[in-house]
Amino acid sequence: AQTVTQSQPEMSVQEAETVTLSCTYDTSESNYYLFWYKQPPSRQMILVIRQEAYKQQNATENRFSVNFQKAAKSFSLKISDSQLGDTAMYFCAFMMGAGTASKLTFGTGTRLQVTL
Amino acid sequence: NAGVTQTPKFQVLKTGQSMTLQCAQDMNHNSMYWYRQDPGMGLRLIYYSASEGTTDKGEVPNGYNVSRLNKREFSLRLESAAPSQTSVYFCASTGGLSYEQYFGPGTRLTVT
Repeated sequence: AQTVTQSQPEMSVQEAETVTLSCTYDTSESNYYLFWYKQPPSRQMILVIRQEAYKQQNATENRFSVNFQKAAKSFSLKISDSQLGDTAMYFCAFMMGAGTASKLTFGTGTRLQVTL
Repeated sequence: NAGVTQTPKFQVLKTGQSMTLQCAQDMNHNSMYWYRQDPGMGLRLIYYSASEGTTDKGEVPNGYNVSRLNKREFSLRLESAAPSQTSVYFCASTGGLSYEQYFGPGTRLTVT
């Protein structure tokens, strides 16, 4: 079974600074997808960024980017120019590739606090 | 386009009571999922339905049943609620090649 580990239960960053959230995963599969989801206090789960394992290029979405190290099974999220609205729980998630019902395995989350 | 909707948003049950959580999506997605979220545990998969007419167990299925009523609706039933089922429940759906799961707003369930 796949496992996802987020070793930082809580982090804090000042507004406008950069922060990196860590995620490692364990799988024997070669075809899979990785995701970062954001959960603000409203409880809504929001997709931040997605990475396909077959793509060598790291995904980027505006201020959010990932460092995907396939051999090391590492998938960290970098938030640049942090904003107060980035305060939330962040979950790393793993999904096996096509034909596997697209089930997600989540990490335990990192609570990010952005301060003035 | 409402996306994924869940009812109710909050519910309090007594031990032994039963209830059904409702979920509907209007995105014509084939696959639907039920997760529970507990403090410090992340989200864990309870049951899923890869396509209309099929359902399968996830990581934590004990104490739950599901019904894929049609392509739009996927319900989760607690037959005899227990305090260990106090949690926040999320329904999600996915379809197409992006593999993105779209989540409902969640149901906070308390069993006393």
